[in-house]
Amino acid sequence: DGGITQSPKYLFRKEGQNVTLSCEQNLNHDAMYWYRQDPGQGLRLIYYSQIVNDFQKGDIAEGYSVSREKKESFPLTVTSAQKNPTAFYLCASSITGMVGYTFGSGTRLTVV
Amino acid sequence: GENVEQHPSTLSVQEGDSAVIKCTYSDSASNYFPWYKQELGKRPQLIIDIRSNVGEKKDQRIAVTLNKTAKHFSLHITETQPEDSAVYFCAADRGSTLGRLYFGRGTQLTVWP
Repeated sequence: DGGITQSPKYLFRKEGQNVTLSCEQNLNHDAMYWYRQDPGQGLRLIYYSQIVNDFQKGDIAEGYSVSREKKESFPLTVTSAQKNPTAFYLCASSITGMVGYTFGSGTRLTVV
Repeated sequence: GENVEQHPSTLSVQEGDSAVIKCTYSDSASNYFPWYKQELGKRPQLIIDIRSNVGEKKDQRIAVTLNKTAKHFSLHITETQPEDSAVYFCAADRGSTLGRLYFGRGTQLTVWP
């Protein structure tokens, strides 16, 4: 499915819960990214990682955490500190220095 | 950081007409400008891109133009078809920040048959 897989496709979270969104790629890309998409807001960067064991905050990192223990994987945890987590989350990857992204198919998170 | 502005936010055209979407950017160090198409409920897909050493690039019915002096770039779609209906995003890198793209807010293009 395009080499980058996000799961689950739909996720429901209760208030006060942490949830983790999975992103796995088999493209041998060094860089991985998490974006949040809300209607009319475009794509806003949450976190990104250019190499294993290193990552940087994007523009809206508050209430989120990530890890990059393996090149193939970049999971995103939406913590209870994120007050408005309902959104569509997109993961992407690229070869460092060649900025064309490949996107995953997204996870739609809803707070219930 | 880089600021990418995209206009219009919505665009409706008749099938067969042309559509133009415009973006401006703020960082003169930017040198890579991709365009993505996102159909409803699907992932964004790269449709065309341009680098700063090129002024125009075409791929069948789509073209992108870049004016580095004015810091703006545009997507042109000719002979539009209903399947062109989607949200289109422009983006720019920031030169020295490897890999990170800055996105515009998107344009909802609707092509009426």
